[in-house]
Amino acid sequence: KAGVTQTPRYLIKTRGQQVTLSCSPISGHRSVSWYQQTPGQGLQFLFEYFSETQRNKGNFPGRFSGRQFSNSRSEMNVSTLELGDSALYLCASSYDRRTGEQYFGPGTRLTVT
Amino acid sequence: GESVGLHLPTLSVQEGDNSIINCAYSNSASDYFIWYKQESGKGPQFIIDIRSNMDKRQGQRVTVLLNKTVKHLSLQIAATQPGDSAVYFCADTGRRALTFGSGTRLQVQP
Repeated sequence: KAGVTQTPRYLIKTRGQQVTLSCSPISGHRSVSWYQQTPGQGLQFLFEYFSETQRNKGNFPGRFSGRQFSNSRSEMNVSTLELGDSALYLCASSYDRRTGEQYFGPGTRLTVT
Repeated sequence: GESVGLHLPTLSVQEGDNSIINCAYSNSASDYFIWYKQESGKGPQFIIDIRSNMDKRQGQRVTVLLNKTVKHLSLQIAATQPGDSAVYFCADTGRRALTFGSGTRLQVQP
């Protein structure tokens, strides 16, 4: 079974721009969660989607948004990029986050200059 | 608030020795915990999980112990190998999301 895939793997953007990251979960998984990983803050939860609905949201500003499609693929968008948004963005999928472990993708490394 | 923490930021062990990585949590309602391993340039990889109705769970070369009284978890790796070098996180599967500790970097010395 193929794992979680994320595209692109690396991205360089300029302050003020916006970016869209994509995540394809493991086949059959309906829950997709997004996390931001930085050296200073560690792994922090952004949001979770289940069956195309946002089920939970972390403490991030409204510039961070996401969506999930009917095939469970998910995208996250960050608008008006700031230098502090530079991070590894990880996507994790599970059949149902509340009952099973999450499987992580390799992440997208975003650098904001 | 909820938090999950780790006692040591770096653990250095000799190849072949056993490793013990510790983790504390604060949410008494937590009922499911996961240990993840993250190698450089990769996403976290599931190692082993444990539910609150268990005290111990064993996998291949790994054992997780859960002490609900003191809200403490530990991950034991037997016969540590160079390939075990990575950052290890414990995660508490709270109601909203996984809450990760800050991680312990395991360094395996040859």
